[in-house]
Amino acid sequence: SAVISQKPSRDICQRGTSLTIQCQVDSQVTMMFWYRQQPGQSLTLIATANQGSEATYESGFVIDKFPISRPNLTFSTLTVSNMSPEDSSIYLCSVEDPGEGGTFGSGTRLTVV
Amino acid sequence: AQKVTQAQTEISVVEKEDVTLDCVYETRDTTYYLFWYKQPPSGELVFLIRRNSFDEQNEISGRYSWNFQKSTSSFNFTITASQVVDSAVYFCALSEPGTYKYIFGTGTRLKVLA
Repeated sequence: SAVISQKPSRDICQRGTSLTIQCQVDSQVTMMFWYRQQPGQSLTLIATANQGSEATYESGFVIDKFPISRPNLTFSTLTVSNMSPEDSSIYLCSVEDPGEGGTFGSGTRLTVV
Repeated sequence: AQKVTQAQTEISVVEKEDVTLDCVYETRDTTYYLFWYKQPPSGELVFLIRRNSFDEQNEISGRYSWNFQKSTSSFNFTITASQVVDSAVYFCALSEPGTYKYIFGTGTRLKVLA
């Protein structure tokens, strides 16, 4: 199965700033996904990022707040912009992995103070 | 609309007890995939099993077993002879055909006490 490297693993940020999270895959994949897990909650899909096209955002998530880049088939970034304490969450990327279901990165634990 | 329900918010058992985690799903698709993931305190998601909608065979992997029943739209997960290391949050999930987008349940926190 695909191996995902997600950086940073954790960060503490000041409100009003932005953080960019990186997701690197060891193989070429068409679809990459970004999820958010708020404290004590389940995972919610933020957006789907396909190479060569604009990311597709789920209801409740907008590009201005969560801009995504997908420059090639092995890499994507998610930026959390103008952060507030409500953005404190674990952010996870995942990729299609037909052999075992999706594969998830280890997550970025973000705390906004 | 697709939905996954994990009615058990938290379960506590004593080590060596068996425990079953319930998962009920809703979907109008005839083809779909069901998953179980484990999330230990460190936060990463660990894939446990994937099952497609055409395969209702129960599966056993070591101490883990899964019971998939389309008639009741359930995909339950049993841990036999639980261990402290099994303590984690367990998520059941459903994916849309061909899109790899997941709908997660709310998770069940399992605490295994020594």
